[in-house]
Amino acid sequence: AQSVTQLGSHVSVSEGALVLLRCNYSSSVPPYLFWYVQYPNQGLQLLLKYTTGATLVKGINGFEAEFKKSETSFHLTKPSAHMSDAAEYFCAVSEDTNAGKSTFGDGTTLTVKP
Amino acid sequence: NAGVTQTPKFQVLKTGQSMTLQCAQDMNHNSMYWYRQDPGMGLRLIYYSASEGTTDKGEVPNGYNVSRLNKREFSLRLESAAPSQTSVYFCASSDTNVLTFGAGSRLTVL
Repeated sequence: AQSVTQLGSHVSVSEGALVLLRCNYSSSVPPYLFWYVQYPNQGLQLLLKYTTGATLVKGINGFEAEFKKSETSFHLTKPSAHMSDAAEYFCAVSEDTNAGKSTFGDGTTLTVKP
Repeated sequence: NAGVTQTPKFQVLKTGQSMTLQCAQDMNHNSMYWYRQDPGMGLRLIYYSASEGTTDKGEVPNGYNVSRLNKREFSLRLESAAPSQTSVYFCASSDTNVLTFGAGSRLTVL
């Protein structure tokens, strides 16, 4: 069975600081992993995904994530936060290529302070 | 290019009333999905349709029905709404492993 845990429901950083959002997963097979961003009153938007191959994945808006099998983690990072990064972020895991059947984490709200 | 369009955006119902949420996509995707999002939680899959003419239950199907009217449209029906169905509902479509979401429908059941 697949599951995902996002550590920290709220993260606050200063503008220009490193952003680190944590995600740990459980999967009985090699997983497909996703990060989504949700702005207020909008649907989720794919930031990046890991399927196979390179374990460091680059996404939109300067975000990246690294798949670490030994740690069952897929943490999301950005070197320098912008005010526009304030949003809710969701990690998701799927045990097959059907992204629609992913299990989603509970979300992390990112606040960026000026 | 509209992507995934959901209607209505907001709806208030009384307990026991019925309603249908509409979803349409213009990306020629085979698969479509309905999720609900509750405060402090991630999305939970209600129903999905892998292709035109097929539908399957997701994690939380009780109290809902769906219809895949054609390749573009996938509707979600609440036959007898309950306060526990107060939520934000998202429709999505996918091709391979990329999901595209609609903007959501906020439903309140009094």
